[in-house]
Amino acid sequence: GQQVMQIPQYQHVQEGEDFTTYCNSSTTLSNIQWYKQRPGGHPVFLIQLVKSGEVKKQKRLTFQFGEAKKNSSLHITATQTTDVGTYFCAGYSGGSNYKLTFGKGTLLTVNP
Amino acid sequence: DVKVTQSSRYLVKRTGEKVFLECVQDMDHENMFWYRQDPGLGLRLIYFSYDVKMKEKGDIPEGYSVSREKKERFSLILESASTNQTSMYLCASSLLGPNYGYTFGSGTRLTVV
Repeated sequence: GQQVMQIPQYQHVQEGEDFTTYCNSSTTLSNIQWYKQRPGGHPVFLIQLVKSGEVKKQKRLTFQFGEAKKNSSLHITATQTTDVGTYFCAGYSGGSNYKLTFGKGTLLTVNP
Repeated sequence: DVKVTQSSRYLVKRTGEKVFLECVQDMDHENMFWYRQDPGLGLRLIYFSYDVKMKEKGDIPEGYSVSREKKERFSLILESASTNQTSMYLCASSLLGPNYGYTFGSGTRLTVV
């Protein structure tokens, strides 16, 4: 079945440093979504990418979808303590049930 | 504000008990999902439903069943709770279609003793 791999599993940074998490799918994706889960919280939808090579920005967050639509990245510029949490990617590769396949997430911790 | 509400935040049950986890959404979403989340294992799909009375198995359905009698409510049932079902359970919902994000509930932390 479809697999979505996410690296790294953990990342610890100093406040102000940049952070990137990568997502790779075993199959071509129709779209990819990103979620953030704060410690003790639940995943919250951030964004969806649909087009090959698409880049979207949300303030300090930059999301990219690969040209082959099999990989994606989330880059955070100048991390802040409010960025702490687990970032999940989730891909959809087709089918009638519209079920996403989630990566295992990257836990980001930020040292103030 | 759209909402997915899970009936309990924390639950402690005994081994062998039948456990019901309830999830209600107020967004008229067709899709509803049950996940469990364990450290290092990410989100694992147990069951999902795309319509009333419809259900499909996810990746780890063993030991669980579900019920969707009304569009807004999706129940997860642990037929005979076991200690390895101690976990955080997350319910989610979405509109039907590939281009919609999921809205998650706050989760139920279930401990089976």
